[in-house]
Amino acid sequence: DTAVSQTPKYLVTQMGNDKSIKCEQNLGHDTMYWYKQDSKKFLKIMFSYNNKELIINETVPNRFSPKSPDKAHLNLHINSLELGDSAVYFCASSPMGRARTGELFFGEGSRLTVL
Amino acid sequence: GQNIDQPTEMTATEGAIVQINCTYQTSGFNGLFWYQQHAGEAPTFLSYNVLDGLEEKGRFSSFLSRSKGYSYPLLKELQMKDSASYLCAARMNRDDKIIFGKGTRLHILP
Repeated sequence: DTAVSQTPKYLVTQMGNDKSIKCEQNLGHDTMYWYKQDSKKFLKIMFSYNNKELIINETVPNRFSPKSPDKAHLNLHINSLELGDSAVYFCASSPMGRARTGELFFGEGSRLTVL
Repeated sequence: GQNIDQPTEMTATEGAIVQINCTYQTSGFNGLFWYQQHAGEAPTFLSYNVLDGLEEKGRFSSFLSRSKGYSYPLLKELQMKDSASYLCAARMNRDDKIIFGKGTRLHILP
């Protein structure tokens, strides 16, 4: 069973469209993240949720709206897509608490191409 | 502010040893991760250092100096499969945020 799974893996769409990426983790972790990796491979944090509550919002445009219906799911909806949104989006989850390292477990990534 | 620096690319020879340096300047530092990322794949966890010193795990070791804001992984007996990007990441006290450097692309030559 895949620990952190994202769908879709590939997404090609036109500028101005709205799209969503879904993420689910079956690790029982409390915290989930969205990261964006651009063409230069720089992995930049976008959002994190802890038990459905937004913890981190890294000055991401309002066109990006995360939603966490429960602690096992964190979806990302993007409105009015722009060329600069083309990237690989990684979902990750993390166990929290003093006894753990809080390492990130990544999904396989969703490659978004905006034409 | 937060800043993590590591070289963009490095080249090493199969069977050799390589050290990839990372310097960081962050407020509220909590620990230092190293991740490996092969082309087209997700990053995978290599190590996490909280205390100063060297931690060894087979062919892979990781070093941290909190006073100098400095870390490196040490990869021994390099194999072709070690060709990948190595990402330095700092864990912050505030919000337990994990921020990444831009990664070092390691090329292994036969």
